[in-house]
Amino acid sequence: DSGVTQTPKHLITATGQRVTLRCSPRSGDLSVYWYQQSLDQGLQFLIQYYNGEERAKGNILERFSAQQFPDLHSELNLSSLELGDSALYFCASSSRGGVADTQYFGPGTRLTVL
Amino acid sequence: GEDVEQSLFLSVREGDSSVINCTYTDSSSTYLYWYKQEPGAGLQLLTYIFSNMDMKQDQRLTVLLNKKDKHLSLRIADTQTGDSAIYFCAEKDGYNKLIFGAGTRLAVHP
Repeated sequence: DSGVTQTPKHLITATGQRVTLRCSPRSGDLSVYWYQQSLDQGLQFLIQYYNGEERAKGNILERFSAQQFPDLHSELNLSSLELGDSALYFCASSSRGGVADTQYFGPGTRLTVL
Repeated sequence: GEDVEQSLFLSVREGDSSVINCTYTDSSSTYLYWYKQEPGAGLQLLTYIFSNMDMKQDQRLTVLLNKKDKHLSLRIADTQTGDSAIYFCAEKDGYNKLIFGAGTRLAVHP
């Protein structure tokens, strides 16, 4: 158990809908990362937050947004869902988000868009 | 751009050593990682190596880094059926994001 929690574990929804994925980092970690794992794209970085501020952005679609709250939990919002958004979404956390930090991953949220 | 490549599949006999190879392109990578993913589970950090090291050993795991060839390997000694999983190599880029390979599926048979 990495100490990173994600809810829900599974999510099934329809095209065009909007969902919110939630992540709680390990105790004491200030930085949160979101990754997407899909069959065709593999594991891809989406976005990083550090202490509430966006720090780095990857190949995140405009339909996706995220935020990190004062209690350091993070939410990833996915809107206007398409079939291709079906994937496993991972959250990871690290202590300060620096180069020497190790990222610890949560169990993931499996999103199925029908 | 950055790219990490791994062979997709490896089959070994229980008790043998497994060697999973990885190549990366970003010569400025400071840390390189190995993660393990079991079916239906998240990514478990196995080990990592700093770019100024050649080797790191951690119980049954040995990581070798050839920085000149940008080649990383993970050796698992005395491979067990519980080691069956997908192993991901990852490099950390200048923005602290991890760039993952496609993963190597390790199958351990009796």
